[in-house]
Amino acid sequence: SQKIEQNSEALNIQEGKTATLTCNYTNYSPAYLQWYRQDPGRGPVFLLLIRENEKEKRKERLKVTFDTTLKQSLFHITASQPADSATYLCALSNSGNTPLVFGKGTRLSVIA
Amino acid sequence: GAVVSQHPSRVICKSGTSVKIECRSLDFQATTMFWYRQFPKQSLMLMATSNEGSKATYEQGVEKDKFLINHASLTLSTLTVTSAHPEDSSFYICSARDSFLAGRKDTQYFGPGTRLTVL
Repeated sequence: SQKIEQNSEALNIQEGKTATLTCNYTNYSPAYLQWYRQDPGRGPVFLLLIRENEKEKRKERLKVTFDTTLKQSLFHITASQPADSATYLCALSNSGNTPLVFGKGTRLSVIA
Repeated sequence: GAVVSQHPSRVICKSGTSVKIECRSLDFQATTMFWYRQFPKQSLMLMATSNEGSKATYEQGVEKDKFLINHASLTLSTLTVTSAHPEDSSFYICSARDSFLAGRKDTQYFGPGTRLTVL
């Protein structure tokens, strides 16, 4: 069956360090993969989209990689700040018309 | 751009009553919207895909007669929870895709969510 796994439920890091979150999937052939941020009691906020033919995408302090051979995406936040503390969700879609399927998320805490 | 609103943000109702939740795309048009449900510390679970002008497509295990979806225009979809029970208490989130702007067609933009509590 199809599965999306995010490496850990919670991750604590020191302010200024780089946070690395992992998303692994099985039995999918995603056309693209997206990362979202979700704060408690709020809807997810779109961060980055990376397509199957792209290796890496960057946006300010964020970087996403996508390895379709390993079936894995890595999400990096450099120079992390306490304001980056949130739950980060990985989501996949097989095509432009199908809805996103989400992983359980990783709760990141950046400690000052 | 790409703002999705939901109303109400929070609702408390008695068991057996019906509750309607609205989802609007404020600055774009969406032929397709999606309804998700999220329980505490769980991921978002897709309930149904709402298609403008046609019937919604429900995920397995979601009762279409209990969760009525109407997508009457390119900017509005509604979810009605009929005869609500305490087990329907959850966080309901809608999302929409920009159907017409090429650079945004693949991204789903989410509303802020609606917290439903059924007593």
